[in-house]
Amino acid sequence: GAVVSQHPSWVICKSGTSVKIECRSLDFQATTMFWYRQFPKQSLMLMATSNEGSKATYEQGVEKDKFLINHASLTLSTLTVTSAHPEDSSFYICSAPRAQANVLTFGAGSRLTVL
Amino acid sequence: SQKIEQNSEALNIQEGKTATLTCNYTNYSPAYLQWYRQDPGRGPVFLLLIRENEKEKRKERLKVTFDTTLKQSLFHITASQPADSATYLCALDEGGGADGLTFGKGTHLIIQP
Repeated sequence: GAVVSQHPSWVICKSGTSVKIECRSLDFQATTMFWYRQFPKQSLMLMATSNEGSKATYEQGVEKDKFLINHASLTLSTLTVTSAHPEDSSFYICSAPRAQANVLTFGAGSRLTVL
Repeated sequence: SQKIEQNSEALNIQEGKTATLTCNYTNYSPAYLQWYRQDPGRGPVFLLLIRENEKEKRKERLKVTFDTTLKQSLFHITASQPADSATYLCALDEGGGADGLTFGKGTHLIIQP
């Protein structure tokens, strides 16, 4: 149980375009989802917390107008990278907490390359 | 400032030996400490959780210790196998609820046949 599906697994886009990444909880409901970003050989950095039915909470230094998060249902959260630039190229991973003590179930990640 | 340090970027261990990975932290008071495995190009997978009042936790060939005085956790894999090769991340949770976890950079473990 506790599977999180994330799509697309990789995407290449031109600078200035927008990219949407979807994260779905397949067999459980997730009122909260976390979005992380990971650069090569670096730790996962929390970008924002997505809350079903309310606004996302962004970490310090993360532009909310650039990284739009929508948590429209108990099983779906989306991250849209707007007006993407090469420096946004990274590995984006969503996760949802299980009932036990904030243990996270992660999606497979989305590799974004902005040309 | 708050810091999580995992002992080394990479660790080479011979198959069959015990691999020991270290996670040290400063300026945190974690209620829980978790260990995850991450394979290249994939999301992390949860392995073990240990609470602040627990000294040791085991799961099959895995063992985690937690010393809140030393502010350190050790992660052991006994009878290591090439399939154990991956990056292992420690993560701290200060018990604030749905605040996400704070991760270390990870240790890339290579088990050589």
